[in-house]
Amino acid sequence: KAGVTQTPRYLIKTRGQQVTLSCSPISGHRSVSWYQQTPGQGLQFLFEYFSETQRNKGNFPGRFSGRQFSNSRSEMNVSTLELGDSALYLCASSQRTGNNSPLHFGNGTRLTVT
Amino acid sequence: QQQVKQSPQSLIVQKGGISIINCAYENTAFDYFPWYQQFPGKGPALLIAIRPDVSEKKEGRFTISFNKSAKQFSLHIMDSQPGDSATYFCAGLNSGYSTLTFGKGTMLLVSP
Repeated sequence: KAGVTQTPRYLIKTRGQQVTLSCSPISGHRSVSWYQQTPGQGLQFLFEYFSETQRNKGNFPGRFSGRQFSNSRSEMNVSTLELGDSALYLCASSQRTGNNSPLHFGNGTRLTVT
Repeated sequence: QQQVKQSPQSLIVQKGGISIINCAYENTAFDYFPWYQQFPGKGPALLIAIRPDVSEKKEGRFTISFNKSAKQFSLHIMDSQPGDSATYFCAGLNSGYSTLTFGKGTMLLVSP
C-alpha cells in the first residue's frame, strides 16, 4: 500500500506570494491533518479534515487555509507569504478521526520563503 | 495546558547502551501517547504508543513507561544501535480528535 504522498517536495517562493501544497493520503484513509515543522517551534498542528469538513484548526493566522476533496486528497494554501512561513509542511492521514486510528505522515514539502 | 515537555534535547549513547527520553504532559484529557521517530529528509513514523490505563508497553527493543499520577512517560531503547540515530518525538492526543500535541524532540546519536 502506498504511503502518504506530498507534492512538491521542495518549493522556493518570494515574500508576498501564495503557495498551494498537495497531499494524497493512504488509500482508504479519510482523515487528513497538516502540521508545520520548524527548528524553533517543532511540530505544530495546522488543521484536520475528515470527509471534506474541517474538524479542527490550530493557532495559525487566516493566511493558512486548506480543503479536502471527495477522494480524501487535501490541499493547503498559504497566502501573502512571510519569511517566517519557511518550514517543512507535513501531511498525515488516518483511517478515521480519534485515538483509535494512528497518524501516518508523508515526507513533507520543504517551503523556503525569500 | 496543551504542552508536552520533552527532555533531553539531544542524547549521545554508545552502541549497546540504553537510550532514555522523558516527557511530561499537562493536559489530563490526553488519552493516547505515541512516540514518533524521524530520520533526516523523512516524515515522522509511528514507533510505539501507549494508553494511560497501561503502565508499560514493550515492542522489541522499545519500551514505554507511563506514570499517570505524575503525568510523565518515557521511551527506553535497549541495546541501542547506530541505525536508531534519529530524532524522537513524544506526543499526546485527546480522545475524539486526531490532533497531536508534540514535544520539541530529542536528537539521538548512537556512536558505533
